[in-house]
Amino acid sequence: KAGVTQTPRYLIKTRGQQVTLSCSPISGHRSVSWYQQTPGQGLQFLFEYFSETQRNKGNFPGRFSGRQFSNSRSEMNVSTLELGDSALYLCASSLPPGVRTTEAFFGQGTRLTVV
Amino acid sequence: AQSVSQHNHHVILSEAASLELGCNYSYGGTVNLFWYVQYPGQHLQLLLKYFSGDPLVKGIKGFEAEFIKSKFSFNLRKPSVQWSDTAEYFCAVNADNFGNEKLTFGTGTRLTIIP
Repeated sequence: KAGVTQTPRYLIKTRGQQVTLSCSPISGHRSVSWYQQTPGQGLQFLFEYFSETQRNKGNFPGRFSGRQFSNSRSEMNVSTLELGDSALYLCASSLPPGVRTTEAFFGQGTRLTVV
Repeated sequence: AQSVSQHNHHVILSEAASLELGCNYSYGGTVNLFWYVQYPGQHLQLLLKYFSGDPLVKGIKGFEAEFIKSKFSFNLRKPSVQWSDTAEYFCAVNADNFGNEKLTFGTGTRLTIIP
């Protein structure tokens, strides 16, 4: 069974640009969550999608957005990039609700560097 | 809102030493608890999880953790560490609400094992 796939693995962007990151969940998983990992703040929850709907959102500015497609693949977008957005962005997938207390499986992440 | 504290930021041990990493959480309701590990250059992997039942849970690679509800703690233990246990360890909590996939992570503990 293939794991969670995130593309691209590395990105370098300039301040003010926007970026789109992609995540393909494990086959059969319908919930996708995104996290930002930085040395200073650790792992912080961005948002979670299920059935193309955002069900939960963390404390990030509106420049951070996401979406989920009908095949459960998800993208997150960061507009007007700032230096502080440099981080490892992790995607996690899990089984749908109805399966109580599911386990999240993480991808390798996308390393975003803003210069 | 829930929060997680990991008091040990960096732990250095010799091989065969015993390990205990602390994790305390703050949340008034029922929680699910997790320990994840991130080996150098690899993705986050689940070590063990507690949902309900026996508060002593066993995970992969000889790790175990004990949930002490009265202390809001979920400490990770291993009786004899190996060099290959060098990694970063994250404790995480998930509020046990139906369909909630959001994980709140601690800041992590970097474990270095000296051969």
